[in-house]
Amino acid sequence: EADIYQTPRYLVIGTGKKITLECSQTMGHDKMYWYQQDPGMELHLIHYSYGVNSTEKGDLSSESTVSRIRTEHFPLTLESARPSHTSQYLCASRAPDSGNTIYFGEGSWLTVV
Amino acid sequence: GENVEQHPSTLSVQEGDSAVIKCTYSDSASNYFPWYKQELGKGPQLIIDIRSNVGEKKDQRIAVTLNKTAKHFSLHITETQPEDSAVYFCAASIWSGGYQKVTFGTGTKLQVIP
Repeated sequence: EADIYQTPRYLVIGTGKKITLECSQTMGHDKMYWYQQDPGMELHLIHYSYGVNSTEKGDLSSESTVSRIRTEHFPLTLESARPSHTSQYLCASRAPDSGNTIYFGEGSWLTVV
Repeated sequence: GENVEQHPSTLSVQEGDSAVIKCTYSDSASNYFPWYKQELGKGPQLIIDIRSNVGEKKDQRIAVTLNKTAKHFSLHITETQPEDSAVYFCAASIWSGGYQKVTFGTGTKLQVIP
């Protein structure tokens, strides 16, 4: 069982608002990821990080930004939310010596109205 | 890049029957194939995985097979139970540019009918 936490779990916000989705893991994993998933649909990688001060864009273009100032924390920010940002955002992490296992958080459901 | 196809997209089985989900991948360099189960409102959870040097792996009612030559792998669930109902994702993993790239399938919604 992996210890990776996301907050908030559910959020409804108005268009134009700034929102930060929090992700924390207590396992000391160096690699962390953000995936976007629409209901019942496939997972799309939007951001990843190799470690502190390392962030990269994923396969799916996203208007969100991420930061990695501490190993355990990988927040995702939307400066100005739009209805098209409505989706589920999944945070994940992987340890260097765990083989290739990726552990997911419970997800953050974002609705922009 | 890697392309992973997953079939079927939906699957309904009677409780006690077996369920099989199949995935194919395109890049022969992929060497790790995990399966995830995602229940409603939750994040995906790893249920079983297989590495390219192994042809089959079993964990209680769940088994995964890998055919490297044909580039396909399958998830087998025997004696299905209602709590097996969920969306299942396969994935293929490969090293690319110093980064372990994971490509997910499109998911299979499994419904086990009591």
